[in-house]
Amino acid sequence: AQRVTQPEKLLSVFKGAPVELKCNYSYSGSPELFWYVQYSRQRLQLLLRHISRESIKGFTADLNKGETSFHLKKPFAQEEDSAMYYCALMTTDSWGKFQFGAGTQVVVTP
Amino acid sequence: ETGVTQSPTHLIKTRGQQVTLRCSSQSGHNTVSWYQQALGQGPQFIFQYYREEENGRGNFPPRFSGLQFPNYSSELNVNALELDDSALYLCASSKGLPSYNEQFFGPGTRLTVL
Repeated sequence: AQRVTQPEKLLSVFKGAPVELKCNYSYSGSPELFWYVQYSRQRLQLLLRHISRESIKGFTADLNKGETSFHLKKPFAQEEDSAMYYCALMTTDSWGKFQFGAGTQVVVTP
Repeated sequence: ETGVTQSPTHLIKTRGQQVTLRCSSQSGHNTVSWYQQALGQGPQFIFQYYREEENGRGNFPPRFSGLQFPNYSSELNVNALELDDSALYLCASSKGLPSYNEQFFGPGTRLTVL
């Protein structure tokens, strides 16, 4: 069965410090990985997806198939990055069916 | 452009009752996915509708059922409610399958089962 693990429930960092959110997945085929974000009092929204290879709001994520990981990184955290972040997996045998991790709450303090 | 809307915002039911939740997809979107989010957990996929047909289902029992209408709005029905059904129910719409197209989430319906 597919699974997404986000080992940190809470990540507290200082403004300007690097931040890395860990995401590990279990799936034997070729996955599609996504990061979603939910800011306070806002809806869940897509942050980035691995196939786009984009940097969004300074965040990047690299798919490492050997380590089955898709960690989210930002070199210099900003206060506006405080939010709940979810890693999500979609498998090639279940198009459109997303498996979400439990989420990591990021708090950036000045 | 109107975003995804859900109704009601919250409701309270008792065990054994039935409930219907509604979702209006964003303009131009023909795919709706439903998720259940328990407290402290990530969203869990319930099912997806594409052009009025069920296009995939997660590990939920048959008492969870749905519909998609010609205008692409959707309903989630849950029969014989159990205490564990208490959760935030999210719907998301996309133009085509969300693997290729971004899915946009609604604000959710908070269901409490007593």
